Amino acid sequence: DGGITQSPKYLFRKEGQNVTLSCEQNLNHDAMYWYRQDPGQGLRLIYYSQIVNDFQKGDIAEGYSVSREKKESFPLTVTSAQKNPTAFYLCASKESRKQETQYFGPGTRLLVL
Amino acid sequence: DQQVKQNSPSLSVQEGRISILNCDYTNSMFDYFLWYKKYPAEGPTFLISISSIKDKNEDGRFTVFLNKSAKHLSLHIVPSQPGDSAVYFCAASLPSNFGNEKLTFGTGTRLTIIP
Repeated sequence: DGGITQSPKYLFRKEGQNVTLSCEQNLNHDAMYWYRQDPGQGLRLIYYSQIVNDFQKGDIAEGYSVSREKKESFPLTVTSAQKNPTAFYLCASKESRKQETQYFGPGTRLLVL
Repeated sequence: DQQVKQNSPSLSVQEGRISILNCDYTNSMFDYFLWYKKYPAEGPTFLISISSIKDKNEDGRFTVFLNKSAKHLSLHIVPSQPGDSAVYFCAASLPSNFGNEKLTFGTGTRLTIIP
């Protein structure tokens, strides 16, 4: 069954702790994305990657880091430098650089204890 | 600066009637537009898209209209069904030679279908 999986569904972070959100896709898509959604707001781009071992900052990259060591995986680390990490995090992927649809995973809700 | 705007945070429509969701954009370079539907605590689901070379695209109950001169697009749902109750996001993309790898999203409109 092809798709995008995100884990965990809920994640709790203590003050000063780094946490990593997982995103895996078996669609053979080249590009992958991380977005953040806050209540009443649209989706804001954190980081994106168009090819393995390469990634670019989005609009709100501060306090986050990513890696793209494998085509199917694009984990997001929320560092202690991110002062307001509580949000719904969404991963997406797209087939290529062409204008094609991004497909989204089910999301991870991050809460700070 | 919000380049893609959905000025109506919410909309209520009777079941069976037409739902019209609106989206305005400010960047005239956008040339590809998408609508997504999102249920709470789930990822957005792609609904329909339109390229700027067209002014209308239809898929079943969903039709998207694009007015380039007004920088306006709309999503029509006919007839509206209870399962259409969700938040709808419009998104826009630049041409490939301007960096089409990113989508710019609006803030969403919550549609409620009244039985």
